[in-house]
Amino acid sequence: DIVMTQSPDSLAVSLGERATINCKSSQSVLSSSNNKNYLAWYQQKPGQPPKLLIYWASTRESGVPDRFSGSGSGTDFTLTFTSLQAEDVAVYYCQHYYIHPPTFGPGTKVEIK
Amino acid sequence: EVQLVESGGGLVQPGGSLRLSCVASGFTFSAYWMSWVRQAPGKGLEWVANIKQDGSEEYYVDSVKGRFTISRDNAKNSLYLQLNSLRAEDTAVYYCARWCDSGSYYAYWGQGTLVTVSS
Repeated sequence: DIVMTQSPDSLAVSLGERATINCKSSQSVLSSSNNKNYLAWYQQKPGQPPKLLIYWASTRESGVPDRFSGSGSGTDFTLTFTSLQAEDVAVYYCQHYYIHPPTFGPGTKVEIK
Repeated sequence: EVQLVESGGGLVQPGGSLRLSCVASGFTFSAYWMSWVRQAPGKGLEWVANIKQDGSEEYYVDSVKGRFTISRDNAKNSLYLQLNSLRAEDTAVYYCARWCDSGSYYAYWGQGTLVTVSS
């Protein structure tokens, strides 16, 4: 199975500041057949189901603010908030969907400093 | 509007059984792979099971193989998860989730149903 790790475990950021979450997979999730990275990012607020933010490592889901961006390839990925807003307080998860089973990272909790 | 509504959770003793249901609406249910994903209290997300559009393929996380069974009834737009031989570590919110068109990432989730395994 592909193991997903995230860093940091938690992050406190001032409003309006930039923030970065890292995700690493134990093996590459880049497909040589279509040159796509099988990596998604989710946001989860307390008491709610996860919300898809990014797929194919860098494609923003419809309706997701452009302050969220995803980057990376192969085994190393990043979710970046260009300007943290109060409503961004949540736990963020990465997930690979390259092979069975799909697995999630342990999550990164983002708080306001 | 896509909607997924789970039901069937509750308190069950270790070794007991439950059947979870998820009713889908707002899309052609029979056209999509479906999944169950769970989240233990205060913990992260864990994929549990997948089922193909016609029910001909099923996949499970190792920890539930032989105990849980995923199924679907396309005529009823419904997804199910039969949970047998339940253990304390199965305590979690169970989410029904729909695959996207191009892969097993999830744009649509239900609100979840809580399963508590305790004596």
